[in-house]
Amino acid sequence: EAEVAQSPRYKITEKSQAVAFWCDPISGHATLYWYRQILGQGPELLVQFQDESVVDDSQLPKDRFSAERLKGVDSTLKIQPAELGDSAMYLCASSLKLNTEAFFGQGTRLTVV
Amino acid sequence: DAKTTQPPSMDCAEGRAANLPCNHSTISGNEYVYWYRQIHSQGPQYIIHGLKNNETNEMASLIITEDRKSSTLILPHATLRDTAVYYCIVRPSGGGADGLTFGKGTHLIIQP
Repeated sequence: EAEVAQSPRYKITEKSQAVAFWCDPISGHATLYWYRQILGQGPELLVQFQDESVVDDSQLPKDRFSAERLKGVDSTLKIQPAELGDSAMYLCASSLKLNTEAFFGQGTRLTVV
Repeated sequence: DAKTTQPPSMDCAEGRAANLPCNHSTISGNEYVYWYRQIHSQGPQYIIHGLKNNETNEMASLIITEDRKSSTLILPHATLRDTAVYYCIVRPSGGGADGLTFGKGTHLIIQP
């Protein structure tokens, strides 16, 4: 069964350092999402791509977060500099097209120390 | 703002049907009801979605009231592996930005 692949699964970084997460969506999926999930809460959308274009980045803290999907396939989410409050699970999801069910990866657990 | 209201937790005996309620009284005509679940330390898993008709798949059934202001997710024969947080989500259709807005969900605990 096709899956959304994310790496790394776990990441520990010091505050003020840069950190990056990678996501490979299910093959053929045009829509890609990045979510952040703080412990004890539901996931919150950070950014949505349709192919290589950003559809929604209204909740992305753009002073330190950036996301790209240059060729419309895999995607990278970067944080620079990391802050203690960025400790969370970062989830990637993809869907075949807009307004269809989205499938999530296993996430990257980030701990900022 | 989450557009749904769910009980924070529920228990169900193994082998029985688990019925998870969700209120979405402000739902609009073009908005779907989606259900996801999240088992501890894993990514959310899609379960089912519907607009106004009842839906069934291999995982669950979704019953939507006629006025669409509430719905119930039914797991017909709950197993221990169904213990998870279940999220009921109202999602617009037809637009470009269609990210899911998760609330706090219902923590379903299946008792042996």
